[in-house]
Amino acid sequence: GAGVSQTPSNKVTEKGKYVELRCDPISGHTALYWYRQSLGQGPEFLIYFQGTGAADDSGLPNDRFFAVRPEGSVSTLKIQRTERGDSAVYLCASSLGRESPLHFGNGTRLTVT
Amino acid sequence: GNSVTQMEGPVTLSEEAFLTINCTYTATGYPSLFWYVQYPGEGLQLLLKATKADDKGSNKGFEATYRKETTSFHLEKGSVQVSDSAVYFCALIGSSYKLIFGSGTRLLVRP
Repeated sequence: GAGVSQTPSNKVTEKGKYVELRCDPISGHTALYWYRQSLGQGPEFLIYFQGTGAADDSGLPNDRFFAVRPEGSVSTLKIQRTERGDSAVYLCASSLGRESPLHFGNGTRLTVT
Repeated sequence: GNSVTQMEGPVTLSEEAFLTINCTYTATGYPSLFWYVQYPGEGLQLLLKATKADDKGSNKGFEATYRKETTSFHLEKGSVQVSDSAVYFCALIGSSYKLIFGSGTRLLVRP
């Protein structure tokens, strides 16, 4: 079966613009995570969904960042008024539940110019 | 809060050399510990895990033992191959169920 799919794989945008990053988890996985990975760093937790609800959004850096998962499957990470510091690889992962291993997508590389 | 510290890279070895990548953690309670690997151009993959003290995780010739007394989870392999070249991340899940990563260690294996 397919793994976690993230689109687009690359996104270049201008400072101040709005972007949406999409994640298609593995079918049947109820838990979904977003991480951000800057160059030379480990992935940094952003938000965790269990089903449709955000169970933990403590990693979102500020109110420009928002994520949704309206039907408990596909999730969209939304970034408003992008800044150059938002440039990073955004990773999505899914799992069968909180105690199950995470399966990661290949990420979306966001570049803000 | 919970955190993971791992040795800085890059680690450069010749094929068939012995590998150790050190990882220590800080956590309340009894976390589960993981090693993830990121091969060039690919996504993060779970390499191995251990869920309680003295457990040994193993996969593809790699091993790591959960040492509660030293709060460590060092990754070892007896004989590395060129195909093991990748970035290795130590990680933990504690009571918050967030997977917390170390900063990663790049391994380069030369033929």
